[in-house]
Formats: sequence, structure tokens, C-alpha cells
Amino acid sequence: QVQLQQWGAGLLKPSETLSLTCAVYGGSFSGYYWSWIRQPPGKGLEWIGEINHSGSTNYNPSLKSRVTISVDTSKNQFSLKLSSVTAADTAVYYCARLSVTMVRGVISHYYYYMDVWGKGTTVTVSS
Amino acid sequence: EIVMTQSPATLSVSPGERATLSCRASQSVSSNLAWYQQKPGQAPRLLIYGASTRATGIPARFSGSGSGTEFTLTISSLQSEDFAVYYCQQYNNWPRMYTFGQGTKLEIK
Repeated sequence: QVQLQQWGAGLLKPSETLSLTCAVYGGSFSGYYWSWIRQPPGKGLEWIGEINHSGSTNYNPSLKSRVTISVDTSKNQFSLKLSSVTAADTAVYYCARLSVTMVRGVISHYYYYMDVWGKGTTVTVSS
Repeated sequence: EIVMTQSPATLSVSPGERATLSCRASQSVSSNLAWYQQKPGQAPRLLIYGASTRATGIPARFSGSGSGTEFTLTISSLQSEDFAVYYCQQYNNWPRMYTFGQGTKLEIK
């Protein structure tokens, strides 16, 4: 059974860099994309970005200029860095596995969904 | 950017009754739609993907329907553990992007 364990600094000052890591246990690392999602207090979910085992990344355009996601395949880990944080970056940050299911037909369809999640890390930005 | 709009924001239903939650996309997402359940202090849990396929271990009382821009999550007979916040999520291939709705809070009537 795949489990995601995440950790990182929980209290930051404005302008600092947020740094979180997520480790994957109990399953394949190379066959998936791995995502970061955040949730501000009392609000909804926002996708930050994703990476696969070869280091191919995709980012939310609204955060792209400040986000770096990296991977360490030797440890089955991936990491998030978010630079120049402000109070607006205060949120619970989740890591998640992205799975894909292909449905064959006249035209094959691919369905993408996040099926395994970490427990979340609360990050507070305050001076 | 595709915008996902969920309605209602809050839904009050009695245990044992049926709940119907809606999700609308600003443009067609085909069937690339997933539903998640989130309880306080917990990570989201995948319920439905491909608009209508239940994830592993999800009870049959949860069902999803729709395609294009209109989607529905139905819980046929509410159990106490079903009261939570529900999010829809779409996937867009170009640019590669995932967008969530703002959520529907399902509360006990």
C-alpha cells in the first residue's frame, strides 16, 4: 500500500523560501506523476505543480515564477520550493500521487486523478 | 483557464436521504472529472474519476454522472460518515493543468 510522508518548515517570514519534501513508500515511484496541492485556511484546493521520475515538470501558471519542484529518485522523494512567500501563501500543503487510467475505444481516453495523498503540512507565513 | 463551479455551496440533507451535488465547467472537459471527499483535518479522498468510475473501496452509494460541462455526484442514502466537503476537479491536457471547484459542504439537516 502506497504511503506518502511529507515534512518541512512550518513557520516562515515574508520573502523567505518555502521548502517541503514528500517521500513515497510501498509502491512504484517511476510510473507516476507526483503533485503538490495547497489549501488556504477555510478555502478550497489549488494545484501547484507536478513532476515525474525523470524530472519532467508542469506548474500552475499563477505560481510558475516562484515554484520549483524537484525529484530524488534514489530516495523516492520529491520536493517543493516556493520563493518569496507572503501571507497569501499560508496554507496546508499536500503531496499526492497522480494516476492515469486509459479507457480503450474508437478513441482512447485517459483519465487523470489524485488517488494517494499525504497528510498535509501546515505552513504559516508571518512576520 | 477552465473554471469549475460547484453548487450549492452548502447542502443540508437528513441521514438516509439522497444528496445531489453539481459541478459545472466553463468549457468542455469531456469526462476528465474527479470527485473528492474531505473531512475536517484530513486530506482529500478520491471518490470518482472519469466522471463516473468509483475509486477502489468507495461504496456503491456514491455515483457520478455527466460529461462535457455538467457533472453530478449523487449519494443515494446518506450515512453519518458522508457529511463532509466535496470537491470536483478537472484535468486539462494543454496546458497541463488541474483545477478544483470551490467545494460543496454537505451538512446534517
